[in-house]
This record gives sequence, structure tokens and C-alpha cells, in this order.
Amino acid sequence: KQEVTQIPAALSVPEGENLVLNCSFTDSAIYNLQWFRQDPGKGLTSLLLIQSSQREQTSGRLNASLDKSSGRSTLYIAASQPGDSATYLCAVALSREGGSNYKLTFGKGTLLTVNP
Amino acid sequence: KAGVTQTPRYLIKTRGQQVTLSCSPISGHRSVSWYQQTPGQGLQFLFEYFSETQRNKGNFPGRFSGRQFSNSRSEMNVSTLELGDSALYLCASSLWQGPYEQYFGPGTRLTVT
Repeated sequence: KQEVTQIPAALSVPEGENLVLNCSFTDSAIYNLQWFRQDPGKGLTSLLLIQSSQREQTSGRLNASLDKSSGRSTLYIAASQPGDSATYLCAVALSREGGSNYKLTFGKGTLLTVNP
Repeated sequence: KAGVTQTPRYLIKTRGQQVTLSCSPISGHRSVSWYQQTPGQGLQFLFEYFSETQRNKGNFPGRFSGRQFSNSRSEMNVSTLELGDSALYLCASSLWQGPYEQYFGPGTRLTVT
């Protein structure tokens, strides 16, 4: 059974700092990995999707890396801003049945607070 | 392009009642997935619908069911509500069935008393 772990559970940093969020998964046979952001009481916003054949993806101040062999992904946020405060979740898509029956398995998330 | 919409946004129900939640995917998206989010369990996959057929199912009891219409809109039904069903229910749409990028709606907050 795929398990996804995110460390730390919470992180507080001063504005302007660069930071790294971690995601690890137990089954390396993933199809892709997706990073999301969730604001309190809201739905999820997709940030980056990395296919299993890719090593990293970048969008603005965000950079996500994937190391399938070690079961790890990191989300790097450069020059953090108070508006980046949110919960960040990673999710892996895995199919054990073959075909197109993929399921997303989520980590519990990292609550990020960026202080002005 | 409009995003995923979910109705209602908030719902309060009593134990034993049933509830129906609705999700309208992004225009052109054919797949709709449902998730339950609770503080203790986090986000858990309920089921996925594509072309009006359930294609994938998570580990939830049969009280949780759904359907998809020909316009890709989806509904989720929970019968005989229990206190533990209180959660944020999220719907996500993607272009096609399978591991495509998922776009989430704002969720329906269900409280069971």
C-alpha cells in the first residue's frame, strides 16, 4: 500500500527566506507526482506536476524535483512571501492494476507560515 | 475558462439522513473524482467517474455512491449519515481518465450532528 509522508508537518519562516518542503513515498512505481496548495477551508490549487520520467519542474518561484529511486520529492520556494502561507500537499498517482485505474494518494501536508 | 464548481458549499445534516453533493467539472473535462478530507485521515480517494461509469473506487463503505451524467457533471450521495462523515468533500476534474493533472473545486463542507 502506497504511503506518502510529508515532513515537516508545519514550518514557520521569515519573509524572503528560501525553503524546501519534503515528500516521500513508499512505492516507487508511480506514474506522476503532483504538488498542491490549499488555503484554509478552500479547495486545492495545482502547483506543479512531475511525470515519472522527469527530474524536475519549475513555475515562477517554485521548483519541484523528483527522485523516484529513493521515493522522494522536494518543493523549493524561493524568496518566500506572506501570500505563500498555506498548506502544501503532495500526491502520487499509482496504478497496481494496470490499465488506467490510477489513484492519487496524498500526504497529510505541510502547513507553511511566512511571517512579514 | 470556469473552474470546477461544487454545490452546496456548506451543509448541515442529522445522523441517519442522506445527502447529495454536486460537482460541475471544467468545460471539456471528462473525468470527475471525489475525495474526502478530514483532519485525522487527510485526503482520501472516494471514486472516479468517466463516461458516466465508475472507473475506480477507494476503500469506503457502500453508503457512499455517485454517478456521472452525459454532460460530465457528477453527484455524490451518502446515505444513513454518521457523525464520522463530517468532512470537506472535494471534487476534481481532469481531461481524461487516468493520471492526468487534476483540478479541484472549492469543496462542500458537510457537518453531521
